[in-house]
Amino acid sequence: QQQVKQSPQSLIVQKGGIPIINCAYENTAFDYFPWYQQFPGKGPALLIAIRPDVSEKKEGRFTISFNKSAKQFSLHIMDSQPGDSATYFCAAGASYDKVIFGPGTSLSVIP
Amino acid sequence: GAVVSQHPSWVICKSGTSVKIECRSLDFQATTMFWYRQFPKQSLMLMATSNEGSKATYEQGVEKDKFLINHASLTLSTLTVTSAHPEDSSFYICSASGLAHGEQYFGPGTRLTVT
Repeated sequence: QQQVKQSPQSLIVQKGGIPIINCAYENTAFDYFPWYQQFPGKGPALLIAIRPDVSEKKEGRFTISFNKSAKQFSLHIMDSQPGDSATYFCAAGASYDKVIFGPGTSLSVIP
Repeated sequence: GAVVSQHPSWVICKSGTSVKIECRSLDFQATTMFWYRQFPKQSLMLMATSNEGSKATYEQGVEKDKFLINHASLTLSTLTVTSAHPEDSSFYICSASGLAHGEQYFGPGTRLTVT
């Protein structure tokens, strides 16, 4: 019940495209769903996070969609840029507690 | 805001020696800190959770006598890798939580190489 699944494993899009990364969780007690961006050799940076009381959250070019009944959530990156090329991790957990990371998605945005 | 630092950023040590890694929350009080390790092209694996003034809680399979964690203050946690071996070579990352909504903010990581 602690696993977080993430797909796709890798993704290539052209500049301006909208990459979508999907995640699924099992534990219904989870109430905190963050997304992290990681560049090689760096620690993960918190991008955006959502809680189950809303179905969508947007911050800049990043949007999270959340489906509580399906236990799924996804990240959309609008107008993607080459600088967005990185590894993206979804995570899930309970507030103020540990989060479980998905396996990651390597995104490449080509000019 | 929400800046977490780690020191050192990279370290090389000889097999059998011990290495200490520091994690600091610079602009907030971290009631909880987490330690992760990450192998190349893999996800982050949680090693332990530490609350200020309490003993750390280790994840299954993590040797608590090998990875000593101390969370002595609300802004500092340390991870000591004791009697390091080449298989301990990895990227160690800490995170800190303590803000109003419980978000975790990560440090830049420490690359440990054991020769």
